[in-house]
Amino acid sequence: QSALTQPPSASGSPGQSVTISCTGTSSDIGYYNYVSWFQQHPGKAPKVMIYEVNKRPSGVPDRFSGSKSGNTASLTVSGLQAEDEADYYCSSYAGSNTGVFGGGTKLTVL
Amino acid sequence: QVQLVQSGAEVKKPGASVKVSCKASGYTFTNYYMHWVRQAPGQGLEWMGIITPSGGSTSYAQKFQGRVTMTWETSTTTVYMDLSSLRSEDTAVYFCARDRFRFWSGYLDSWGQGTLVTVSS
Repeated sequence: QSALTQPPSASGSPGQSVTISCTGTSSDIGYYNYVSWFQQHPGKAPKVMIYEVNKRPSGVPDRFSGSKSGNTASLTVSGLQAEDEADYYCSSYAGSNTGVFGGGTKLTVL
Repeated sequence: QVQLVQSGAEVKKPGASVKVSCKASGYTFTNYYMHWVRQAPGQGLEWMGIITPSGGSTSYAQKFQGRVTMTWETSTTTVYMDLSSLRSEDTAVYFCARDRFRFWSGYLDSWGQGTLVTVSS
């Protein structure tokens, strides 16, 4: 159960789009469609932004979207806003009722 | 509304054990899986395990096998996470989080406020 691989940082200007990748293996992301993305602001609990690869919970802006290809999942944030600046984590089901998180990506809005 | 309220901060010595509680309210306790996730200072999220209050089955991350025990108490709608043989690397904020579905989906829609566990001699 190695951690999923995310870039440590990403950035974009307000209004731009940014995509964060999350690479796993054929035993987690590549096999199951239970990929989630979480947003975490400093000192706060994480908040789910995407579940089951590309589904958005109610209340999450449609600027947030998710996708998957092979062993890599991606989160795209369109129309960047200042409040999107946060840490983002991916997670995936890994079989046998276990899961794994990515190392996290710090998104900076320039 | 769904609420998860965790127990307060703990300071433990190396080798000791800690038990963190997570009291659930606002939903049918036995219907949903509960995850435990931790976050060391300045580090990322780490999945620790899951418990299904309806049947009491548990699954733990390989890293914590043998050191972690997750239990539940239906009468008080509380889940517990017990971590033994503590070392300094276990210093972290521990979160409970509810899975929105009745299976491991990763849709963690409600989180506790977190419990800081500090391991220091």
